[in-house]
Amino acid sequence: DAMVIQNPRYQVTQFGKPVTLSCSQTLNHNVMYWYQQKSSQAPKLLFHYYDKDFNNEADTPDNFQSRRPNTSFCFLDIRSPGLGDAAMYLCATSRDWPAGETQYFGPGTRLLVL
Amino acid sequence: AQSVAQPEDQVNVAEGNPLTVKCTYSVSGNPYLFWYVQYPNRGLQFLLKYITGDNLVKGSYGFEAEFNKSQTSFHLKKPSALVSDSALYFCAVKGGAGSYQLTFGKGTKLSVIP
Repeated sequence: DAMVIQNPRYQVTQFGKPVTLSCSQTLNHNVMYWYQQKSSQAPKLLFHYYDKDFNNEADTPDNFQSRRPNTSFCFLDIRSPGLGDAAMYLCATSRDWPAGETQYFGPGTRLLVL
Repeated sequence: AQSVAQPEDQVNVAEGNPLTVKCTYSVSGNPYLFWYVQYPNRGLQFLLKYITGDNLVKGSYGFEAEFNKSQTSFHLKKPSALVSDSALYFCAVKGGAGSYQLTFGKGTKLSVIP
């Protein structure tokens, strides 16, 4: 089945130690998104790629970066995780740009910062 | 700016009874409305969406939603609730043809009581 895959499902890191979360998709979608979801809150968009074009949300901290080496893969890099970065990180994809396009989500990676 | 309100943090319903999860929205231009469900420690699963056309939208797992333009609402409904429907439900909106940003409500926890 076509899907959005996130690895690992759970990630433990130490305060200040860089961490990378990965997302892959078999849907061949043009757009990939990264969301942060803290406990009992709505997902918050961090950034997205339309093909290779990167779009950062205005309030996304500089500590968060992303890479998309090809259509299938997208990475979220947290350069120096703080305790406040502990959250569920959700990757999503959509086929294309128009507003009516559905975003399909992966299962998420839960990040714990010690 | 676009926004979504889910006025109930929690909805309790007995198994077999009809359920409604409420959502109202605010957006410039034509709204594109979505419902997602999230089970514990999982990603968001797409249920249904409204783009245009018939105000009653049918989706996955027997869910449906009614778009009401005058009341700016998009309530999620199901005629007969199952215990397995217990989860966190998110309403989301995109506004305008060129909009990519999916704005989520804060979520409503649905508990179906056996």
